[in-house]
Amino acid sequence: QKEVEQNSGPLSVPEGAIASLNCTYSDRGSQSFFWYRQYSGKSPELIMSIYSNGDKEDGRFTAQLNKASQYVSLLIRDSQPSDSATYLCAGTANNRKLIWGLGTSLAVNP
Amino acid sequence: DARVTQTPRHKVTEMGQEVTMRCQPILGHNTVFWYRQTMMQGLELLAYFRNRAPLDDSGMPKDRFSAEMPDATLATLKIQPSEPRDSAVYFCASGSSGDYQETQYFGPGTRLLVL
Repeated sequence: QKEVEQNSGPLSVPEGAIASLNCTYSDRGSQSFFWYRQYSGKSPELIMSIYSNGDKEDGRFTAQLNKASQYVSLLIRDSQPSDSATYLCAGTANNRKLIWGLGTSLAVNP
Repeated sequence: DARVTQTPRHKVTEMGQEVTMRCQPILGHNTVFWYRQTMMQGLELLAYFRNRAPLDDSGMPKDRFSAEMPDATLATLKIQPSEPRDSAVYFCASGSSGDYQETQYFGPGTRLLVL
């Protein structure tokens, strides 16, 4: 069973701090990884995608991929209360379907 | 502003009734996904279409669920008969298989409650 695992949280950080979200995956064949943000009652929306080892930065967000260790992380710098949401990690399976984690709930406290 | 649209947004029905959910993918996208989301199971893939052909429906209960794409602008998910355990949020997502990373764009979802 191919899996993507995340700590369900809640992860609580003060406003302005760095939030670190982690994800591990079991399928070594996975090529691409995605971080989606989901506000309560809303649909998932893409934040970052990454498919090469290393870091990828986009504004306050940095995605990190380590294929040897099979983990993906998302760093959110200068966290804002508006970042409070559930963050979903997903990786591609061989047939290009996405395998989803259950999500990590993040609360940014003013 | 290209978006995936879904109808209805909310549906309350009684056990045993048929439920039909509709999705209009983003124009030009050739892949469509149906997901079900619950607190316990998270996002579960029900069906996956590429160029209107069903590629994978292994996540779908075959006895009561069916998914079709009658044309490139419409995907449907039907439940017949519905059961209380089908209560969940159903999302449609679309993407482009020409995109290596094949980003999926989600619709607003249909919130289904089966009494």
